[in-house]
Amino acid sequence: EIVLTQSPATLSLSPGERATLSCRASQSVSSYLAWYQQKPGQAPRLLIYDASNRATGIPARFSGSGSGTDFTLIISSLEPEDFAVYYCQQRSNWPYSFGQGTKLEIK
Amino acid sequence: QVQLVESGGGVVQPGGSLRLSCAASGFTFSSYGMHWVRQAPGKGLEWVAFIRYDGSKKDYADSVKGRFTISRDNSKNTLYLQMNSLRAEDTAMYYCSKEDDSRSWYPRYFQHWGQGTLVTVSS
Repeated sequence: EIVLTQSPATLSLSPGERATLSCRASQSVSSYLAWYQQKPGQAPRLLIYDASNRATGIPARFSGSGSGTDFTLIISSLEPEDFAVYYCQQRSNWPYSFGQGTKLEIK
Repeated sequence: QVQLVESGGGVVQPGGSLRLSCAASGFTFSSYGMHWVRQAPGKGLEWVAFIRYDGSKKDYADSVKGRFTISRDNSKNTLYLQMNSLRAEDTAMYYCSKEDDSRSWYPRYFQHWGQGTLVTVSS
């Protein structure tokens, strides 16, 4: 089973700052990795798929990179609506696991 | 637009059963793989089950294998999750999700999500 480890667990930043979130896989997932955003009381939203492709309607300030075991989600300039929990997820191997999440909070 | 509406959640005793449904609209249901994903209160996301667009393949997480059954009725645009032998640790919000690409032979990503249905297993 592939374990995804996200860091940091919590990230405290101010609007306008740059956010860098990390996801590390216990074995290679090639580029089969996605990022999701979840706000309280809401379902998750797909942001990035196949490591670096923005999903439909996702603003350009969100970008993803990486392959193999190390992946990064960058939010170039934080907007107030970006403060949420972010999850990575792999579809390379069963079971199709999620990371434990990074909470992005307002500083 | 894509709509996924879950139903069937509720309170059930340990060892009991529930059947969740997910009514889909706004897309060609029979062309997309579907998943169930759950989230225990205050916890992260856990993938539960997958069914290929034509129903020919099903996958389950180890935590539910042998107890849960995913199915679909493409004539009714509906996804199901039959949950038997429920345990306290199955308590969660259950989301159905549509994949991001049609007619994929292998599981894809979760592009659209319902609002979830809450399952509580408690005596």
